Amino acid sequence: KAGVTQTPRYLIKTRGQQVTLSCSPISGHRSVSWYQQTPGQGLQFLFEYFSETQRNKGNFPGRFSGRQFSNSRSEMNVSTLELGDSALYLCASSPDILQTQYFGPGTRLLVL
Amino acid sequence: GIQVEQSPPDLILQEGANSTLRCNFSDSVNNLQWFHQNPWGQLINLFYIPSGTKQNGRLSATTVATERYSLLYISSSQTTDSGVYFCAAYPQGGSEKLVFGKGTKLTVNP
Repeated sequence: KAGVTQTPRYLIKTRGQQVTLSCSPISGHRSVSWYQQTPGQGLQFLFEYFSETQRNKGNFPGRFSGRQFSNSRSEMNVSTLELGDSALYLCASSPDILQTQYFGPGTRLLVL
Repeated sequence: GIQVEQSPPDLILQEGANSTLRCNFSDSVNNLQWFHQNPWGQLINLFYIPSGTKQNGRLSATTVATERYSLLYISSSQTTDSGVYFCAAYPQGGSEKLVFGKGTKLTVNP
């Protein structure tokens, strides 16, 4: 099976812009989760989607949002980018909730 | 919320040495996992080990759920083992958000 894929892999934006990141889960996986990784805060949970519904959300401002499509592919959006949003954004999929998560290669976002 | 603590934060080894990485959690957990993050940022699953012991080649892991810790053993380390090792778990009976430790950065020198 193909692994989790994320696009784009690298992105440079300026403050105030918005960005959309995409994640395609492993075939058959219905749960998709997003994480932000920064040197200061480590790996932090953003949100989880299951069957097109957001099940959980981490402690991030409303500028961070996401959605899941009927084919389980997911997107996350960050509006009004801030310098502190520069991070590695990781997507993970699992067959069901509370199961082993498999991570994609990540999207490195740099906000200037 | 649950706290996941990893030790040591940094570890430097010579190729061929053995090591033990530790993960302590402050409350009961479900679905404890170990990951290896390579220098390119990819998180690779090593073990799903809510309890007991598992082995995969030179790596093995043990979780003692009643005492709230897990250990990752790396034997005969190789330079390709370098990277950051994370443990992560779901809090039991509560939030379904996967909580990560801060990781152990392992450097294996030739």
